[in-house]
Amino acid sequence: GAGVSQSPRYKVTKRGQDVALRCDPISGHVSLYWYRQALGQGPEFLTYFNYEAQQDKSGLPNDRFSAERPEGSISTLTIQRTEQRDSAMYRCASSLEETGGDGYTFGSGTRLTVV
Amino acid sequence: AQRVTQPEKLLSVFKGAPVELKCNYSYSGSPELFWYVQYSRQRLQLLLRHISRESIKGFTADLNKGETSFHLKKPFAQEEDSAMYYCDPKGFRSSGDKLTFGTGTRLAVRP
Repeated sequence: GAGVSQSPRYKVTKRGQDVALRCDPISGHVSLYWYRQALGQGPEFLTYFNYEAQQDKSGLPNDRFSAERPEGSISTLTIQRTEQRDSAMYRCASSLEETGGDGYTFGSGTRLTVV
Repeated sequence: AQRVTQPEKLLSVFKGAPVELKCNYSYSGSPELFWYVQYSRQRLQLLLRHISRESIKGFTADLNKGETSFHLKKPFAQEEDSAMYYCDPKGFRSSGDKLTFGTGTRLAVRP
């Protein structure tokens, strides 16, 4: 597509429910990144993929968080048994180059609210 | 740990004044550094990258290895420059360290 698309734009869920956030990167972009941004804070790295391979998941806060990119294109970030502290803006970005040297293109984000 | 520091959370200047948004990094190698901008209610956007030595919207940034800095500068601020600015150390990737943006500096340009 023309840009990085994230869905849904807004998600309100009850504590304890599972949520799945979707990211559709720019077509042909090799790398895909997930970030989380709390209000008033900078983006916090969660994980990234080159093609379908998850290269680094060191930023995932705990084992309730997981991500996949099975065909090297669309990625899903899943949060199981959501907690209120998971509430944040979740941002996806993609880059053409594996090293990200061309810079990231960000999606509009998904604002997750856990009530 | 490798990191970047943006020491100012808020920078307020008058229209037409020079702007310098500070970014300092700690890294033993040669990082690739980027600046991203986020205008109100818009997505994060790449502003510029040091390897291209470009000027975007009048902004420039020079990598100073001696001072380990990558400050963003503009000689004459405009009201439309008001936004959040994030410094990003792309080169930290290869070290295996967690990739994290700086905490950001909010630039407010007053008329």
